[in-house]
Amino acid sequence: DAGVTQSPTHLIKTRGQQVTLRCSPKSGHDTVSWYQQALGQGPQFIFQYYEEEERQRGNFPDRFSGHQFPNYSSELNVNALLLGDSALYLCASSHTGTGHEKLFFGSGTQLSVL
Amino acid sequence: GQSLEQPSEVTAVEGAIVQINCTYQTSGFYGLSWYQQHDGGAPTFLSYNALDGLEETGRFSSFLSRSDSYGYLLLQELQMKDSASYFCAVARGGGYNKLIFGAGTRLAVHP
Repeated sequence: DAGVTQSPTHLIKTRGQQVTLRCSPKSGHDTVSWYQQALGQGPQFIFQYYEEEERQRGNFPDRFSGHQFPNYSSELNVNALLLGDSALYLCASSHTGTGHEKLFFGSGTQLSVL
Repeated sequence: GQSLEQPSEVTAVEGAIVQINCTYQTSGFYGLSWYQQHDGGAPTFLSYNALDGLEETGRFSSFLSRSDSYGYLLLQELQMKDSASYFCAVARGGGYNKLIFGAGTRLAVHP
């Protein structure tokens, strides 16, 4: 049983560019949440997707957008990259029926913006 | 607003017991979770408390007092592999909880 998988593992971009990060949830999970983790900090909630719709959103600008596909996989898009977007981006999956307190995290995508 | 406070660093020796405290201020509180993250790794779930009291899972226990907006993670019989960052996270409701994480406590276990 594969856990949460994310791709790519590392990414280097320059300011102003756009990036797409991908996530496949754990088998049987229907909800995907995205988090941004700066070095030495806790994960910060970006948004959550369920039934292909954004269900909740944290305090992130509209440059951050996402998508969920019918197979529950998800993408995180960030436009007009800023230096401050450099961080570890974590995808977490859960199942609506069993609660979202226990999240299963992927190993993340380390994004560096130069 | 919302906030979580936990110590930034804790140091202990192998075999010892360590307690990591977490205080929180938030609306719509549903429960308190704890996650472990090794350097370069993914956060992994340790425990969740929705009700007051102590939850025990092997060497790890977690406690919650809703009236005091306070919880802690207790790690017993510390091992070197327990060296990691530990995050408390508040589950905020609405039918589909989202987790708000603290800044984390870095635990260093020494021989």
